[in-house]
Amino acid sequence: AQTVTQSQPEMSVQEAETVTLSCTYDTSESDYYLFWYKQPPSRQMILVIRQEAYKQQNATENRFSVNFQKAAKSFSLKISDSQLGDAAMYFCAPPRDKVIFGPGTSLSVIP
Amino acid sequence: DADVTQTPRNRITKTGKRIMLECSQTKGHDRMYWYRQDPGLGLRLIYYSFDVKDINKGEISDGYSVSRQAQAKFSLSLESAIPNQTALYFCATNQNGRVDTQYFGPGTRLTVL
Repeated sequence: AQTVTQSQPEMSVQEAETVTLSCTYDTSESDYYLFWYKQPPSRQMILVIRQEAYKQQNATENRFSVNFQKAAKSFSLKISDSQLGDAAMYFCAPPRDKVIFGPGTSLSVIP
Repeated sequence: DADVTQTPRNRITKTGKRIMLECSQTKGHDRMYWYRQDPGLGLRLIYYSFDVKDINKGEISDGYSVSRQAQAKFSLSLESAIPNQTALYFCATNQNGRVDTQYFGPGTRLTVL
């Protein structure tokens, strides 16, 4: 069965600092995509970043970047220069036709 | 207009009632999904459909049924609602689950008394 682990149920970061959210997954696939989604208090799910497993380079989207370690099946999300609007639940979605999500990490940003 | 819409947005009902949650999408995607979100449990997959004639159970399908009326419409039914079905329900869609971003509806807050 597909497993997804987000080992940090809650995290906090000072505004303007950097925080890393972890995600590990299990797959037998060799070519796949990984996703991080954000759910702010409005509850709308929003794509943050996507990583293609066959690409060596880690994906970057403005202040958001990933540290993708394929062999370790690890896919962490790094948020730089944290802003108050980054406070949200963050979900990792690993490779699977029926998209399965991790349990989420609740991120608080301290002014 | 939103790409994925859900109706109703909020619903309070009583134990034993039949409830239908509706989802419509204008993305033209083949794949549609229903998720349930509970605090501390993240999103759990209830049912998914890869096309109009293909419907599959997810992790937690007991107590739920679905209908894919058209490519753009995917409904979730609770035949006899119970209090532990109180949750936030999301519909989502994408074209290819492996590679494509999922597009989510705004969610339906369901309370079963």
